[in-house]
Amino acid sequence: IAGITQAPTSQILAAGRRMTLRCTQDMRHNAMYWYRQDLGLGLRLIHYSNTAGTTGKGEVPDGYSVSRANTDDFPLTLASAVPSQTSVYFCASSETGRRTGELFFGEGSRLTVL
Amino acid sequence: DAKTTQPPSMDCAEGRAANLPCNHSTISGNEYVYWYRQIHSQGPQYIIHGLKNNETNEMASLIITEDRKSSTLILPHATLRDTAVYYCIVRSHTGNQFYFGTGTSLTVIP
Repeated sequence: IAGITQAPTSQILAAGRRMTLRCTQDMRHNAMYWYRQDLGLGLRLIHYSNTAGTTGKGEVPDGYSVSRANTDDFPLTLASAVPSQTSVYFCASSETGRRTGELFFGEGSRLTVL
Repeated sequence: DAKTTQPPSMDCAEGRAANLPCNHSTISGNEYVYWYRQIHSQGPQYIIHGLKNNETNEMASLIITEDRKSSTLILPHATLRDTAVYYCIVRSHTGNQFYFGTGTSLTVIP
């Protein structure tokens, strides 16, 4: 089934460690996004990429980095994890160049930083 | 980017229409209104979107006021499976970023 695959689904991480959340889509969408979801704060955009080779900052980019080497993959890296980065992370994709641009989401990655 | 305001929570009786409001008073002329919902801890799911005219699909109807400063999502016959958090989003003028707020937590009551 086509869609977005995130890995890992869940991870417990010691503070200060480096962590990469993986996201792969097979819909050939140009745009990809990373969101974090925290209780009471809803979904907040971390970083996005409009097309392969480009990235941009969202609402809460500090402490995170992304890369977009190709169309399908959009990994999110925490260089040195802190407890405040404990959250559920969602990757999403959409087509660009169309007015609709519906977002398709993965099932999320639950990260706990101790 | 235009921001949206939604009530934090609502209840609806099963089988009745659920009307979820959204204010987007700073929306600009080329920005669309999107609605998504998130059931439990799953990824958000697209429901419907519109620009000026009212829209209807198999899931819901979207009513946008003439001045476009507010909209209402209507679930015509709410079921228990419609219990979810509903997000109203205005798409940014640059065309790609979607900014979610905290949404409305809808509880459908048997």
